[in-house]
Amino acid sequence: DAKTTQPNSMESNEEEPVHLPCNHSTISGTDYIHWYRQLPSQGPEYVIHGLTSNVNNRMASLAIAEDRKSSTLILHRATLRDAAVYYCILRDASGAGSYQLTFGKGTKLSVIP
Amino acid sequence: DTGVSQDPRHKITKRGQNVTFRCDPISEHNRLYWYRQTLGQGPEFLTYFQNEAQLEKSRLLSDRFSAERPKGSFSTLEIQRTEQGDSAMYFCASSLGLTGGRDTQYFGPGTRLTVL
Repeated sequence: DAKTTQPNSMESNEEEPVHLPCNHSTISGTDYIHWYRQLPSQGPEYVIHGLTSNVNNRMASLAIAEDRKSSTLILHRATLRDAAVYYCILRDASGAGSYQLTFGKGTKLSVIP
Repeated sequence: DTGVSQDPRHKITKRGQNVTFRCDPISEHNRLYWYRQTLGQGPEFLTYFQNEAQLEKSRLLSDRFSAERPKGSFSTLEIQRTEQGDSAMYFCASSLGLTGGRDTQYFGPGTRLTVL
């Protein structure tokens, strides 16, 4: 899987929007962009994924740059429960890549009450 | 609750002992994965099954580690002759097995192993 780069940590005030960036300059045309998060003392949790178009679900929005070399996970109103480590992961859609998830160190999001 | 379950949640053992962990995936999921996570790091892939077939193993999976998934349902991960370096969280995940890059994995709560 291609490499991603994320900031080590970010802070947000409660009830404000949060934009978590991810750079993936070596992304291939068949790579999906996935986001997972890991709350303290829990297993990772799927958040959202996309290929080219922006995506929305009940948890978050994913904004993908036109050249696909970066993406941003958007939490519209951060709550204390959103404090977690957020991982941006590329998944090969061609079928040639592994099915494993390759986690980096992610971004640790702190939410301030 | 129909999520992924793991047992036990915590295991303390002495160096040299064998341990076995169990994972029950979401019932309709045909792929099952094992990951390991040490403090301050993201989870690292160990192995994965498509139904009962073990199709991929990481270089992290030494000869002391063995995993099975009989009948394509639950899975076990056994560590023989445990070492202090095996102390970690062990996560199981499962997925439907969608083609391409759309497949999403659902993780269990993990088993915390402490080797004394």
